[in-house]
Amino acid sequence: KAGVTQTPRYLIKTRGQQVTLSCSPISGHRSVSWYQQTPGQGLQFLFEYFSETQRNKGNFPGRFSGRQFSNSRSEMNVSTLELGDSALYLCASSLPPSRGELFFGEGSRLTVL
Amino acid sequence: AQSVSQHNHHVILSEAASLELGCNYSYGGTVNLFWYVQYPGQHLQLLLKYFSGDPLVKGIKGFEAEFIKSKFSFNLRKPSVQWSDTAEYFCAVKPSGTASKLTFGTGTRLQVTL
Repeated sequence: KAGVTQTPRYLIKTRGQQVTLSCSPISGHRSVSWYQQTPGQGLQFLFEYFSETQRNKGNFPGRFSGRQFSNSRSEMNVSTLELGDSALYLCASSLPPSRGELFFGEGSRLTVL
Repeated sequence: AQSVSQHNHHVILSEAASLELGCNYSYGGTVNLFWYVQYPGQHLQLLLKYFSGDPLVKGIKGFEAEFIKSKFSFNLRKPSVQWSDTAEYFCAVKPSGTASKLTFGTGTRLQVTL
């Protein structure tokens, strides 16, 4: 059974640009969550989607957005990139209703110059 | 909203030493508790979980954790660590029976020396 797939794995952007990250969940999983991981801050929750609807949203500015498609695949977008957006962005999928057991992808490492 | 505190940020142990990593959470209701582990170069994965019942739960690779409700704690233990246990460990909490998010602590980096 294939795991959670995230693309791209690595990317470098400059300030002011925008970026789109993609996540394909495990087959059959309909919930997708996104986290930002940075040294010292740990994992900060971005948002969670289920059946194309955003169920939860973390405390991030509106520059961070996401969506989920009918096949459960998800994308997140960050517009007007700032240096502080440099991080590992993790996607996790789960079977609903999720009790907290998440299956993580390897992440997309974003560097903003 | 719930929160999680992990007091040990970086722990260095010799092989065969005993391990205990602290985790405290803040939430007034019933919770589901987790430890996740991230080995170097690998993705984050579930180590063990607690939903209800016996407060002492056992996970993979000889790890166990004890839920002490009165202390709002869920400490991770292992009697004898191995070099391969070198990793970052994250405690996480989710209010039971709700659509609330899973909240993680800031993590504890464990380094096991030979």
